Amino acid sequence: GAVVSQHPSWVICKSGTSVKIECRSLDFQATTMFWYRQFPKQSLMLMATSNEGSKATYEQGVEKDKFLINHASLTLSTLTVTSAHPEDSSFYICSAPRLAGTQYFGPGTRLLVL
Amino acid sequence: GNSVTQMEGPVTLSEEAFLTINCTYTATGYPSLFWYVQYPGEGLQLLLKATKADDKGSNKGFEATYRKETTSFHLEKGSVQVSDSAVYFCALSDNYGQNFVFGPGTRLSVLP
Repeated sequence: GAVVSQHPSWVICKSGTSVKIECRSLDFQATTMFWYRQFPKQSLMLMATSNEGSKATYEQGVEKDKFLINHASLTLSTLTVTSAHPEDSSFYICSAPRLAGTQYFGPGTRLLVL
Repeated sequence: GNSVTQMEGPVTLSEEAFLTINCTYTATGYPSLFWYVQYPGEGLQLLLKATKADDKGSNKGFEATYRKETTSFHLEKGSVQVSDSAVYFCALSDNYGQNFVFGPGTRLSVLP
């Protein structure tokens, strides 16, 4: 069964609104989680590393004020897309390491901004 | 830095054909190697992994062997099915699950 969940699985919102995506590790604790973005027919791009108890670290070119990350507990990280625009429409995927060297991925959240 | 290269496809095969998707990597140290599969509209699922040289990962009829001498981790399956149609990603990480790097993905279509 799934070891990492995401909610919602898909969301449609109006331009200018904010959207929160949750990532939960099930039955295990994750001090670190990762957020990826995937454009159609492309590979995953790491956006940021979510760290429990400290600030997230963002990859080059990712706006930290646009994509707010909060690692609220050892099993929950949230990604908030603030003032969303159509170009933010994408598939957002989180992951968490469980066993050494293995990432478990959430099912993804498809965001469509109108 | 670390990198992963894989054949980009798309790859189209008939059912029961033999599949090979090539993957090579560049990394420092001793990375772990993975194949992930993404079915249409879904997230990534771990297909198989290998954590050290000469290890063979296998699952659902798929196999890949960690070849340090050729820095490769080619994915193979002897007889593909229509249900194997998906995008396959080769990836590596260090032993702590950090510095995770994906290949560009290979789209596989299996025709009945």
